[in-house]
Amino acid sequence: DQQVKQNSPSLSVQEGRISILNCDYTNSMFDYFLWYKKYPAEGPTFLISISSIKDKNEDGRFTVFLNKSAKHLSLHIVPSQPGDSAVYFCAASAVRGAQKLVFGQGTRLTINP
Amino acid sequence: NAGVTQTPKFRILKIGQSMTLQCTQDMNHNYMYWYRQDPGMGLKLIYYSVGAGITDKGEVPNGYNVSRSTTEDFPLRLELAAPSQTSVYFCASSTTWDRGRDTGELFFGEGSRLTVL
Repeated sequence: DQQVKQNSPSLSVQEGRISILNCDYTNSMFDYFLWYKKYPAEGPTFLISISSIKDKNEDGRFTVFLNKSAKHLSLHIVPSQPGDSAVYFCAASAVRGAQKLVFGQGTRLTINP
Repeated sequence: NAGVTQTPKFRILKIGQSMTLQCTQDMNHNYMYWYRQDPGMGLKLIYYSVGAGITDKGEVPNGYNVSRSTTEDFPLRLELAAPSQTSVYFCASSTTWDRGRDTGELFFGEGSRLTVL
């Protein structure tokens, strides 16, 4: 049973436009959410996170929105740059102490010049 | 600034062989984790540790063992390799964190690609 779902395996966006990556979750106990970026042959690197007490968190070009009632979050990247081309993973956590993250399947973002 | 270091980066095993994936971190983090990533899938938690001498199972622990004798090291052992264990393995670490203040991020190593034939 997939508790965190990223339903779009891939997304293609023109350079300079907005990229919107979506993520849905089913476990209402999740209260912390993170986005990771992954390049080929590298480990995932942290992008941005949000607590369930907030509905928006912004860091430079990256903004994460959380809709708890819909169990949905999204990552907005604006403006999109060629270096943003990577696989993006949504992850969620429900346990105090150790961060036992549950990951989505990932969305491959391609930024076209 | 080494962060999380994994060895080896690549390994091919025959069915039934054993091996240990090494992981070490130099950030003095309490928590360490092992994840596996299969093609087209997200990362799944195998085992984790909240400190030296304490380990616990994650979502997919079968076929693996771990130990945590020091804060820095968290090796993952495969006792009888099977084709289903062909995957990319990621070790990660994190610190004790305040949800109201910290990002809660895990720091990942570069991964170890294991093929079992």
